[in-house]
Amino acid sequence: QVVLTQSPSASASLGASVKLTCTLSSDHSTFAIAWHQQQPEKGPRYLMKVDSDGSHTKGDGIPDRFSGSSSGAERYLTISSLRSEDEADYYCQTWGRGTQVFGGGTKVTVL
Amino acid sequence: QVQLQEWGARLLKPSETLSLTCAVYGGSFSPYYWNWVRQPPGKGLEWIGEISHSGTTRYNPSLKSRVTFSLDPSQSLFSLRLSSVTAADTAVYYCARADTDYPTIWGQGILVTVAA
Repeated sequence: QVVLTQSPSASASLGASVKLTCTLSSDHSTFAIAWHQQQPEKGPRYLMKVDSDGSHTKGDGIPDRFSGSSSGAERYLTISSLRSEDEADYYCQTWGRGTQVFGGGTKVTVL
Repeated sequence: QVQLQEWGARLLKPSETLSLTCAVYGGSFSPYYWNWVRQPPGKGLEWIGEISHSGTTRYNPSLKSRVTFSLDPSQSLFSLRLSSVTAADTAVYYCARADTDYPTIWGQGILVTVAA
């Protein structure tokens, strides 16, 4: 079964950029993933789908500050020009063989 | 703008059956996939499963034996039943809509607590 690995935490200063990584388990390096944001005390919000070729499809209303990319088995979410409201948990998710799997999430702190 | 809203019993005793319903406002029922995801307090997201607009179901293998999905397109409702609950089933339960393989619209969630 596919496993998604995320670093537990990341931090960057207000106005800076942060790049989050989601690593697919071996034998699943070509899978697409989706990124979801969860602000404190709120439900998740879909950000974008990232394919293995690095192309990404954003959800409605997602700012240009959010972008996705890929390299091998790694899928990335880059947040530029960090704002206080970007402080949240970010989850990657993938699917296959009739099931879906979430990564453990990365907590982003805006300094 | 499509919105989802969960409701159901918020406090259960061990061995009881969790029953939640999600209402879909502002959008059609097809051709989408209707998902349930849960999040134990302080932990990450766990996919429970989904039911398609036509009634096809998919399950998290670890929960499959206890989960039942249903839908009522005429009322724009879909539901989750989880039997034989324990404290480990205490979580915020989210309903979500997927266009294909991943949710793109989420409900706000409902906390369900299992306690003796």
